[in-house]
Amino acid sequence: QKEVEQDPGPLSVPEGAIVSLNCTYSNSAFQYFMWYRQYSRKGPELLMYTYSSGNKEDGRFTAQVDKSSKYISLFIRDSQPSDSATYLCAMNPLTGGGNKLTFGTGTQLKVEL
Amino acid sequence: EAGVAQSPRYKIIEKRQSVAFWCNPISGHATLYWYQQILGQGPKLLIQFQNNGVVDDSQLPKDRFSAERLKGVDSTLKIQPAKLEDSAVYLCASSNPGAPGNTIYFGEGSWLTVV
Repeated sequence: QKEVEQDPGPLSVPEGAIVSLNCTYSNSAFQYFMWYRQYSRKGPELLMYTYSSGNKEDGRFTAQVDKSSKYISLFIRDSQPSDSATYLCAMNPLTGGGNKLTFGTGTQLKVEL
Repeated sequence: EAGVAQSPRYKIIEKRQSVAFWCNPISGHATLYWYQQILGQGPKLLIQFQNNGVVDDSQLPKDRFSAERLKGVDSTLKIQPAKLEDSAVYLCASSNPGAPGNTIYFGEGSWLTVV
C-alpha cells in the first residue's frame, strides 16, 4: 500500500464548476499537508499548506484536513480554464531537521469552456 | 525574488552514457533537494542537503547517481551510466528552514530521455 493515495483522473469539469480533489494517507506521523499545482512541462508550484486538522481558505481555493480519517481535500470554486493542470498532494512529518515530502501521484484536471 | 534555476532543461542521451544537471537554489535557502518525477507519478526525493551536508540520501541509487553541493549554494546531480528507467524529470527544490511551513519551492525541472 502506498503511503499517499490519489486518484490520477483525468477529471474534466465545465467552467464555473466546484472541483473536489482528494488524497488519503496511511502514515499518522504526517503533520503538514500541502497542495501543489503543476502545469505541463513546469515544476510543481505550492498552492496551499495546512498544519494538522482543519480548513484553510485562500481565494477560490479551500484546503481541508481530517486527520482522524487520514483524508485531505482541495476545493476549487468557480473553476477556470487556467486551473487546468495536475494537482499534487504532499505530506510531511517534519520531524527533527528533516523536511521530506511524500507526494501523491497527482490528479489531472481539465476545466472546459 | 529569483526562483530555483535549473539547467539544462532538456537532455536526450543513450543508455550507458552520463549526464549532469545543475541547480541554483533561491538565495538564502539552506536546504536543497533533488527529486525524480517519472511520467504519471508524483516526485520522489533522491537527496536532501542542509548547507553542504547530506541530510537524506536513502532513495538515491548510489551505484549510478551522485550529487554534490560543495559550497553550500548550487548543486550538481550526475547519472553514470544511465539506464532507460532513468527517463524522468529531475526537479531541484529549496527551502528556508526558518520560514513558516518550511515551504519547498521547485524549479522547472530538467527533462531527461534515455534512449
